[in-house]
Amino acid sequence: GESVGLHLPTLSVQEGDNSIINCAYSNSASDYFIWYKQESGKGPQFIIDIRSNMDKRQGQRVTVLLNKTVKHLSLQIAATQPGDSAVYFCAEKKRAAGNKLTFGGGTRVLVKP
Amino acid sequence: EPEVTQTPSHQVTQMGQEVILRCVPISNHLYFYWYRQILGQKVEFLVSFYNNEISEKSEIFDDQFSVERPDGSNFTLKIRSTKLEDSAMYFCASTRGGVEKLFFGSGTQLSVL
Repeated sequence: GESVGLHLPTLSVQEGDNSIINCAYSNSASDYFIWYKQESGKGPQFIIDIRSNMDKRQGQRVTVLLNKTVKHLSLQIAATQPGDSAVYFCAEKKRAAGNKLTFGGGTRVLVKP
Repeated sequence: EPEVTQTPSHQVTQMGQEVILRCVPISNHLYFYWYRQILGQKVEFLVSFYNNEISEKSEIFDDQFSVERPDGSNFTLKIRSTKLEDSAMYFCASTRGGVEKLFFGSGTQLSVL
């Protein structure tokens, strides 16, 4: 079926190491992807986005990679900090599907000191 | 930094009662959304609102749900007769255009007893 899913439910990372969070999608008609961070008791917070005509986009300490061949999206966090501990969601917008986002199931990142 | 604000943060109600969840989107935003997240599950789209009317809604958003923008600042979600399965965290979101860089509020945790 058409869905956005996550490979790993929990990721433990040593402080200072790099984190990689993965997301698989099955809808080739999706044209826009977003990563959100959700801390406990808060709403999803925008991290970075990428359009389907791009393969890579960098932000501050974060990089999103899009591999359309295998329908895979990843979020890389450089030098992971304790404040990065949260649940991370990928979301997609399907082309010609209006303005709604379809969210993945979430990956919890735990940063160990 | 501007933010989407939601009230109340927690709402407890009896099954069959009406509830109104309130949101104040970011002031210069034009598109407004409600999403919900049942505990342990994905964030799900409910409805989008633009130019004073619903632009899209999901299957979840049945006749028991309604939205309103009663003035220039508030955006409300009403559930007419709550069911147990309506228990969830409800997120309001807004954006200047489409779904790009969608800003979420901190949510209202609705518990239906």
